[in-house]
Amino acid sequence: GQQVMQIPQYQHVQEGEDFTTYCNSSTTLSNIQWYKQRPGGHPVFLIQLVKSGEVKKQKRLTFQFGEAKKNSSLHITATQTTDVGTYFCAKGAQKLVFGQGTRLTINP
Amino acid sequence: GAVVSQHPSRVICKSGTSVKIECRSLDFQATTMFWYRQFPKQSLMLMATSNEGSKATYEQGVEKDKFLINHASLTLSTLTVTSAHPEDSSFYICSAGTTAYNEQFFGPGTRLTVL
Repeated sequence: GQQVMQIPQYQHVQEGEDFTTYCNSSTTLSNIQWYKQRPGGHPVFLIQLVKSGEVKKQKRLTFQFGEAKKNSSLHITATQTTDVGTYFCAKGAQKLVFGQGTRLTINP
Repeated sequence: GAVVSQHPSRVICKSGTSVKIECRSLDFQATTMFWYRQFPKQSLMLMATSNEGSKATYEQGVEKDKFLINHASLTLSTLTVTSAHPEDSSFYICSAGTTAYNEQFFGPGTRLTVL
C-alpha cells in the first residue's frame, strides 16, 4: 500500500554509541521528512530531504536520501541522553504518512 | 517557526459523552489542518483533513459521523468525538503548515481517556 516501512522498531544503546534508523518505500518518493517525538510530546520537525542522494547534517545527526529516492536513513553519532525519543520518517508534504517509528532509549 | 495550540491537553470522560478538541494556529492562517490519532507506542495515523469553509476529508476507515470536524475559520479547527467509548481513548494531534515552511507544525496533542 502507501506505507513507509521503518526499522528497527526499538533500539537501546549505551550513551556515546551511534544509532541509525532506516525508512524504505516501495514507490519513489518526492520527498521525505524526519520528525522526533519525545516521550509524552508531539512530533517536531527535524528535516526534509528532496534530492536523490542528498545528505544533510545537523550537528550529530546525519540524514540521507537514497539515490533511487526509495529509502532514507537518520544516523546519530555519539548519542546523548537528550536524544531519547521516537524518530519518525514521513512521506508527503502537508498530508503526512508516517513510518512506524524507531523508539530510542539510552543507558547513561 | 509557526505555533499550533490544542485544547484541552487532557480529558477524561464517561462512555457515551462527546468531547470537543480545539486546534488553533496562533501566528498564521491555515486553510488546511490535519487530525491524527496515536495509540500508545504506535505511529501517528491520519484521520482526516480539515478544510476551511468546506467539508473535511476523511481517511478510509474513519467514521465521519463519529469524528466531527469543523473548520470555521482560518485559525481554528475542532474535532468532536461523539458518543465516545473506551476504544476511542488515544492521543489526538492536529497539524498545520504554511507555504513559508516545508514542515508541518504539530499541536501539543490531547490525551483522551474514556472510562
